[in-house]
Amino acid sequence: AQSVTQLDSQVPVFEEAPVELRCNYSSSVSVYLFWYVQYPNQGLQLLLKYLSGSTLVESINGFEAEFNKSQTSFHLRKPSVHISDTAEYFCAVSGTFNTNYFGSGTKLNVKP
Amino acid sequence: DVKVTQSSRYLVKRTGEKVFLECVQDMDHENMFWYRQDPGLGLRLIYFSYDVKMKEKGDIPEGYSVSREKKERFSLILESASTNQTSMYLCASSFRGTNYGYTFGSGTRLTVV
Repeated sequence: AQSVTQLDSQVPVFEEAPVELRCNYSSSVSVYLFWYVQYPNQGLQLLLKYLSGSTLVESINGFEAEFNKSQTSFHLRKPSVHISDTAEYFCAVSGTFNTNYFGSGTKLNVKP
Repeated sequence: DVKVTQSSRYLVKRTGEKVFLECVQDMDHENMFWYRQDPGLGLRLIYFSYDVKMKEKGDIPEGYSVSREKKERFSLILESASTNQTSMYLCASSFRGTNYGYTFGSGTRLTVV
């Protein structure tokens, strides 16, 4: 069965600093990987996805994630964060019937 | 703008009541899902459906049932609400083919008293 581990429940960071949110997964088959973002009092939005091809994927707002098969990781990074990036971030791995298995989430708190 | 709409943003129900949570999508998606979200536990899959009148149990189906009579609508039913079902409920949908990711609704925060 698939599972996802997000090692950090909270990550405080100052504005304009770099950030990395860690995600490790376990799966016995080829996977698709996702990062979702949840802003306060909202549902989740798809931030970026890895399906195949280049192991580095990017979002439109400056986040990127790298699929590392040997380390079974899909860490999310941003070189310079903004206050508006404050949100909870969820990593997910695909399962059967297009189900997604989600991690427990990482709350990113960007301080001025 | 494509949407997944959940009928209620906040609900308060009494223990033992039968509760209906409704979800409608306008993207012609085949797959629809119900998750519950609890602090520190992330999202856990309750039920999903990949076609009209089809349903599959997720990881935590106990105490819940679902209905999918039309492609665009997927209902979650709490047969007899209990306090441990107090949670945020999230509906999502996707196409049946390659898993390109989900579109989520904004959630229903249910409190059972």
